[in-house]
Amino acid sequence: DADVTQTPRNRITKTGKRIMLECSQTKGHDRMYWYRQDPGLGLRLIYYSFDVKDINKGEISDGYSVSRQAQAKFSLSLESAIPNQTALYFCATSDPGLADLNEQFFGPGTRLTVL
Amino acid sequence: AQSVTQPDIHITVSEGASLELRCNYSYGATPYLFWYVQSPGQGLQLLLKYFSGDTLVQGIKGFEAEFKRSQSSFNLRKPSVHWSDAAEYFCAVGAPTNAGKSTFGDGTTLTVKP
Repeated sequence: DADVTQTPRNRITKTGKRIMLECSQTKGHDRMYWYRQDPGLGLRLIYYSFDVKDINKGEISDGYSVSRQAQAKFSLSLESAIPNQTALYFCATSDPGLADLNEQFFGPGTRLTVL
Repeated sequence: AQSVTQPDIHITVSEGASLELRCNYSYGATPYLFWYVQSPGQGLQLLLKYFSGDTLVQGIKGFEAEFKRSQSSFNLRKPSVHWSDAAEYFCAVGAPTNAGKSTFGDGTTLTVKP
């Protein structure tokens, strides 16, 4: 089984709808991250969490919110989806022991389309 | 602030040919450097990393990269490319002062010709 899983893998929704993307991990890592990937723009950090009580905004947090329900679960919400949030979304984790090295472990991604 | 530049958006090589993907970074001290590969429909997988010591690092799948401080570069190389290497490659930089966050380049797409 995959260490970092994301659900759903694909989602099509309409403008104005609320969407939640979920991420679960079995790696036992404290640190979790949400990125979005757009063609030609690499990965951009939306939010990150260093433990259940520690949530931080990344470089593009506007329009998004997150919830760290447990060490293993980190959800990303779009309260009112808009078309320019159409992208590929990745969840990632890192180990505190390795965190200084910033090595991250990625889920398979969620492709979100907002019509 | 740290930053990463991958100058080549798209590279095409023939199967069996050598490969070099370029990565330049900006950071005031010694950074932590990574190369990730993203195969179609997949998440990112770490190929190799550098944080100290020997400037030539070996990774998985026959890849290597060399850290050159004087050129602020961390180029990825492979002596003989296989068709299965076709993917998108991302260089990333992290720093001990940046609270565990990495900055990613825009990626280089590799196409392998038969």
